[in-house]
Amino acid sequence: DAGITQSPRHKVTETGTPVTLRCHQTENHRYMYWYRQDPGHGLRLIHYSYGVKDTDKGEVSDGYSVSRSKTEDFLLTLESATSSQTSVYFCAISGGTSPWEFGYEQYFGPGTRLTVT
Amino acid sequence: SQKIEQNSEALNIQEGKTATLTCNYTNYSPAYLQWYRQDPGRGPVFLLLIRENEKEKRKERLKVTFDTTLKQSLFHITASQPADSATYLCALDAGNMLTFGGGTRLMVKP
Repeated sequence: DAGITQSPRHKVTETGTPVTLRCHQTENHRYMYWYRQDPGHGLRLIHYSYGVKDTDKGEVSDGYSVSRSKTEDFLLTLESATSSQTSVYFCAISGGTSPWEFGYEQYFGPGTRLTVT
Repeated sequence: SQKIEQNSEALNIQEGKTATLTCNYTNYSPAYLQWYRQDPGRGPVFLLLIRENEKEKRKERLKVTFDTTLKQSLFHITASQPADSATYLCALDAGNMLTFGGGTRLMVKP
């Protein structure tokens, strides 16, 4: 298995509180991704990173921010959690090195189940 | 925008039969398409990828086809086993960016 961990694995928080999820990799991969998975919507990309301090928005980025200060860590922050952000969050990594490379599979972490009450 | 569709209804088949899952896409012509398996409570796991000029790719009991004219990929599991029961996701490869379908749940009954 690819060396990718997520923390925490489960979290319950209240509406309006800030939440930070952490993704840590030991593969030294350049690309890292945050997805959310909801019934009826599948996996949707929130943000991704293509290097230290290099990040960009995905399909559902509103209400989320990310940071990547080291190759191995990619943080996802919900500045003020809402009930609509209750979901399972997955981090993924990929061995690609540039935007126009194809054929690189993604390796996923175990997921974080977040409940916002 | 890209749209990728998989049958949201579960597919139930008998052990030993061939399972065939469908992935259809619109508004994009991907050079690659990837397939993943996801078990309950776990992250997706990569299975196979196929290039647009490959038409068919095999790995053990798995076979993937890619028809760029129909904008469709078919995923086959031959001699299916109860252990193959899982959700299978297809994904369009847009160059280090994947767009996933909603997945199809496969149930293989003994």
